[in-house]
Amino acid sequence: QSALTQPASVSGSPGQSITISCAGTSSDIGAYNYVAWYQHHPGKAPKLIIYDVTNRPSGVSIRFSGSKSGNTASLTISGLQAEDEADYYCSSYTTSTTLVFGSGTKVTVL
Amino acid sequence: EVQLVESGGYLVQPGGSLRLSCAASGFTFSRYWMTWVRQAPGKGLEWMANINLDGGDTYYVDSVKGRFTISRDSAKNSLFLQMNSLRVEDTAVYYCARGSHYYDGSGFYSFDSWGQGILVTVSS
Repeated sequence: QSALTQPASVSGSPGQSITISCAGTSSDIGAYNYVAWYQHHPGKAPKLIIYDVTNRPSGVSIRFSGSKSGNTASLTISGLQAEDEADYYCSSYTTSTTLVFGSGTKVTVL
Repeated sequence: EVQLVESGGYLVQPGGSLRLSCAASGFTFSRYWMTWVRQAPGKGLEWMANINLDGGDTYYVDSVKGRFTISRDSAKNSLFLQMNSLRVEDTAVYYCARGSHYYDGSGFYSFDSWGQGILVTVSS
């Protein structure tokens, strides 16, 4: 199972919106609505920010939103803030009864 | 407060074995799916294995099937990862994480609490 494809880096200025894509196949993202997104500050524990494509866990800022179209999922961060600078990973359930993570995207706040 | 604390990470030679532990506290351990995820140096997250509530069902990524075994002991509120036939490419920080609990089964698909991770180095 190959990793889902994410852009290596995305950047934006404070207050802007950015979108991170997560490309999969009909055997993972396209097959189920079980896409999750994690925020990971290096050296710290990853944090769940989106589950089941669009749902935000309690306590996660409404600036984070998720969507999916076909075999590609997306994470949008609105009103970009300095604290959003981190690595972001998508994950998806697969038809092989496994999970696969994305390759990861480094978000830089300019 | 939910806490997950990994231990057992060491330097081990290729072909060797290691057992990682994850001590859970702050929640009813037996009610949650659990998982192991790793991150090799300079690389992204990689899912390793899931285990269901009673430990009767386990799932693995192909690269560790037959070499790694995930297990749990609810009496000790602990998760384990037995790693055999270790390879240089198994060098990574290993995280244990708790499955989410939004509905039955959601714990397989997303993980809402993570440990800080433990480094495993496989090298001669």
